[in-house]
Amino acid sequence: NAGVTQTPKFQVLKTGQSMTLQCAQDMNHEYMSWYRQDPGMGLRLIHYSVGAGITDQGEVPNGYNVSRSTTEDFPLRLLSAAPSQTSVYFCASSLQQGWTDSPLHFGNGTRLTVT
Amino acid sequence: KQEVTQIPAALSVPEGENLVLNCSFTDSAIYNLQWFRQDPGKGLTSLLLIQSSQREQTSGRLNASLDKSSGRSTLYIAASQPGDSATYLCAVHNSGNTPLVFGKGTRLSVIA
Repeated sequence: NAGVTQTPKFQVLKTGQSMTLQCAQDMNHEYMSWYRQDPGMGLRLIHYSVGAGITDQGEVPNGYNVSRSTTEDFPLRLLSAAPSQTSVYFCASSLQQGWTDSPLHFGNGTRLTVT
Repeated sequence: KQEVTQIPAALSVPEGENLVLNCSFTDSAIYNLQWFRQDPGKGLTSLLLIQSSQREQTSGRLNASLDKSSGRSTLYIAASQPGDSATYLCAVHNSGNTPLVFGKGTRLSVIA
């Protein structure tokens, strides 16, 4: 059971380039989300999805797009990378958002540097 | 808007000590509270989840308590070990359709 898998683990981009961070889970979780973690700022929610075909914005959505065409995958797209998007990105999933006993499972993160 | 605070930001203790990590939240109408552990360069690992109807949860040397009325939770670690060194984060879930709100964590160092 792989859990939540994120690729790549490291990425360096130049300003203006685009890329997609991949996230896949094999636990049949309905809820998936993307966070960024920055020193002194903690974890901040970018986008989330409560099921296939449904996405919503979190606290810091600007500059990022998501889609959820399948239950398993939730890619995060950076359309035009900026230095302010240098961060560690985490994908997380849980069985269902509305369940009181559904813990959140995290991937190991993608460390992104934008120069 | 829910806010989650963890104090202190960092803590250093000698091996073998029992210790308590604190988490406070401003809105007591929560569904659940979760404690996570994060090792350097890694993702978060869920340690304990306390539902709103529960007062505490235990897993091995870890015990988490919840006092909704006062907006507080504590994570008790018994007989600390160097392997417990990590950052511990708490997060609260306010309702069925809102995402978790995280604290900024407490960085724990257990010195051998």
